[in-house]
Amino acid sequence: DQQVKQNSPSLSVQEGRISILNCDYTNSMFDYFLWYKKYPAEGPTFLISISSIKDKNEDGRFTVFLNKSAKHLSLHIVPSQPGDSAVYFCATSYDKVIFGPGTSLSVIP
Amino acid sequence: EAGVTQFPSHSVIEKGQTVTLRCDPISGHDNLYWYRRVMGKEIKFLLHFVKESKQDESGMPNNRFLAERTGGTYSTLKVQPAELEDSGVYFCASSQERDRGETQYFGPGTRLLVL
Repeated sequence: DQQVKQNSPSLSVQEGRISILNCDYTNSMFDYFLWYKKYPAEGPTFLISISSIKDKNEDGRFTVFLNKSAKHLSLHIVPSQPGDSAVYFCATSYDKVIFGPGTSLSVIP
Repeated sequence: EAGVTQFPSHSVIEKGQTVTLRCDPISGHDNLYWYRRVMGKEIKFLLHFVKESKQDESGMPNNRFLAERTGGTYSTLKVQPAELEDSGVYFCASSQERDRGETQYFGPGTRLLVL
């Protein structure tokens, strides 16, 4: 039973527009969330994180929003660039890192 | 600085055979993790070493899987005998400190196909 869900397997966005990747989790005890980015034939790399004491964290073009009451978080990429095309994994870190299934983002030039 | 390396990059074996995957962490990283991604699904935690000790092996699927980290450097993950459902990508990650995931550096993975 998945504890971290990413219901959109794929997403296509035009270059320069906003990419919004969504993630839902099941356990209200989860208090720390991460996003990873993965290119083909490579391992995931850490992108950005957020603690449950915050509702927003920003790092350059990447912003993560957390809605604890809805058990939902989202990653916004603005503006999207072709190099952002990758699989994005939402994850939570409790006693171990628990990943979602990933969303494949394609940024079209 | 060299990153996390994994060998082999690909392995194709028949059901019932044995396969051993190797992970070389970043030098000086005491924490080493194994993960697996099956059929494009979520990446699942398998186990965590601190130096040569197994800190958490709660994600190991069954006793056909054996992980070792002798001497606290590289690690091996042996699957014996392999079953069809073991197919997937096996990732290794390492970190200097035990963290909440931000400083885990992942290797490129070993793609295992069991026929």
